[in-house]
Amino acid sequence: GESVGLHLPTLSVQEGDNSIINCAYSNSASDYFIWYKQESGKGPQFIIDIRSNMDKRQGQRVTVLLNKTVKHLSLQIAATQPGDSAVYFCAENMAGGTSYGKLTFGQGTILTVHP
Amino acid sequence: DGGITQSPKYLFRKEGQNVTLSCEQNLNHDAMYWYRQDPGQGLRLIYYSQIVNDFQKGDIAEGYSVSREKKESFPLTVTSAQKNPTAFYLCASSDYTDTQYFGPGTRLTVL
Repeated sequence: GESVGLHLPTLSVQEGDNSIINCAYSNSASDYFIWYKQESGKGPQFIIDIRSNMDKRQGQRVTVLLNKTVKHLSLQIAATQPGDSAVYFCAENMAGGTSYGKLTFGQGTILTVHP
Repeated sequence: DGGITQSPKYLFRKEGQNVTLSCEQNLNHDAMYWYRQDPGQGLRLIYYSQIVNDFQKGDIAEGYSVSREKKESFPLTVTSAQKNPTAFYLCASSDYTDTQYFGPGTRLTVL
């Protein structure tokens, strides 16, 4: 079956740097994408989402970019802080517009921020 | 406070025992989900429910059962048929926007 994957399993950055976490997806019918942050021993926390009719969306210190041509999703974190250290997951919804679609999750990228 | 609660936080099961994990939400969401997470891996869908009194199997439903008698509650039972139940279990809920919000999780260990 089709799945969501991540290019890099780990990413280490210095505090204050910008971080970029990448995600590849293979289902061209996916129309909704979400980024989650998961700290050790906790549930995933919603960060930002984007629908397929957009190619960029910004939040507080985070930006998600969607390139449908190459089926690529990225999460950019500006001025990365030690509190950003966590596992980051991308997820795609392949419901094609129906309600309460099932999400398919990638394996995750471990982000480590060094002071 | 609005949100999703899961209990207990830690659960220990003996071989051959059934155990039930609780998930409650006061977000007025129609849909609820159960996921399993193994160390260093992503989330895999066990069961989901789009409406009260209805639920569907996810990708790894064998050895698990659920019920959805109330909108706010979606308990998961891990039966003795589940051969490798040690994992971190996550419950989520969503409204019509499809954005799923997660609870804090229950860590189940088989003794």
